[in-house]
Amino acid sequence: QKEVEQNSGPLSVPEGAIASLNCTYSDRGSQSFFWYRQYSGKSPELIMSIYSNGDKEDGRFTAQLNKASQYVSLLIRDSQPSDSATYLCAVRNQGGKLIFGQGTELSVKP
Amino acid sequence: DVKVTQSSRYLVKRTGEKVFLECVQDMDHENMFWYRQDPGLGLRLIYFSYDVKMKEKGDIPEGYSVSREKKERFSLILESASTNQTSMYLCASSFDRGIKNIQYFGAGTRLSVL
Repeated sequence: QKEVEQNSGPLSVPEGAIASLNCTYSDRGSQSFFWYRQYSGKSPELIMSIYSNGDKEDGRFTAQLNKASQYVSLLIRDSQPSDSATYLCAVRNQGGKLIFGQGTELSVKP
Repeated sequence: DVKVTQSSRYLVKRTGEKVFLECVQDMDHENMFWYRQDPGLGLRLIYFSYDVKMKEKGDIPEGYSVSREKKERFSLILESASTNQTSMYLCASSFDRGIKNIQYFGAGTRLSVL
């Protein structure tokens, strides 16, 4: 079992829809969780961080964390073509190491 | 704004050459990291450093070494480049080792070894 798992996609949504990206992790002692966006050929850029159970909203982005289920998600409301990118989930495990998932490719169709 | 600068965006080298990839950060961060990113394999940690002159092996250190002589600079060295080291190399830095610390990435160096 991989330490951090994401569906590779591609996930395709129409413009204006909600995109839902999911991530599961194996280390129950993990304490911090991050979502990075990576455009093709570019480096990862942090868009959200979350540390406690529940929802955290920032503009059109909402991160959701459920530690009991070892699950973290990212919702993108009113998706735009400019949101088309690969989204990387990263989890800091109990040992302090940041583990990245392989990323989910999102395509927003006009 | 945090700035992590990698010296080259694209590099083409020949098999057997010694290759230096340079990374500089301007935010007085304690920690610096080198990753490589390959399709289907994601981001893999090569080496990291929590302090000047300190280095730790990551998940895939074979064929690489690093140098951190100054706090702001972390160099990745390919002692004898091979074709399987063709990849995107990403440098990152973070302030400390607290649970909320965030890694910031440089623009990346796409290395081709022929």
